[in-house]
Amino acid sequence: DIQMTQSPSSLSASVGDRVTITCRASQGIINYLAWYQHKPGKVPKLLISGASTLQSGVPSRFSGSGSGTDFTLTISSLQPEDVATYYCQKYNSAPRFGQGTKVEIK
Amino acid sequence: QVQLVQSGAEVKKPGASVKVSCEASGYTFTNFYLHWVRQAPGQGLEWMGMINPSDSNTRYAQKFQGRVTVTRDTSTSTVYMELSSLRSDDTAVYYCARSKPWYHYMDVWGKGTTVTVSS
Repeated sequence: DIQMTQSPSSLSASVGDRVTITCRASQGIINYLAWYQHKPGKVPKLLISGASTLQSGVPSRFSGSGSGTDFTLTISSLQPEDVATYYCQKYNSAPRFGQGTKVEIK
Repeated sequence: QVQLVQSGAEVKKPGASVKVSCEASGYTFTNFYLHWVRQAPGQGLEWMGMINPSDSNTRYAQKFQGRVTVTRDTSTSTVYMELSSLRSDDTAVYYCARSKPWYHYMDVWGKGTTVTVSS
């Protein structure tokens, strides 16, 4: 089974900061990688598919990159409404989520 | 609009089974896979399994093999997830979510169903 490892597990940053979350697959997954935002009490929201394709309506401060085993989600300028836990998910063959990265405001 | 409407909260005793439903609307039911994902308190998202509503083929995460069954009813555009031999660590919010065939990123989610396992 392919394992998905995110880092860091949590981070605290100031409004306006650039934030980067990393996701590593234990085997190559080409670009079959999605990112989700999950706020407490809410439903997970798909941000990015295909490692870098922003979903409609998602603010342009979010971006994704990577291929193979190493992927990155970047928030170019952190906003208060971005406080959430972010998950990567591989979707070649059986889906699997990373363990999540909790983003807070400093 | 596209919606996935899940059944209500459940409280079960250890050893029992639970069956959660997910009714799809606003799109062609057989054109998209449906998945079950859970989140236990303080834990992350965990994929449990999926079904292709067009032919009822299923695939389950190894962790849940033998304990989870996903079925569908095309007459009502509803998918069901049954989890048996419940334990306290099955206490979680259970979500259904939709994906395209072959590209299993989940673009539409149900609101979740809370299942509490307690004696």
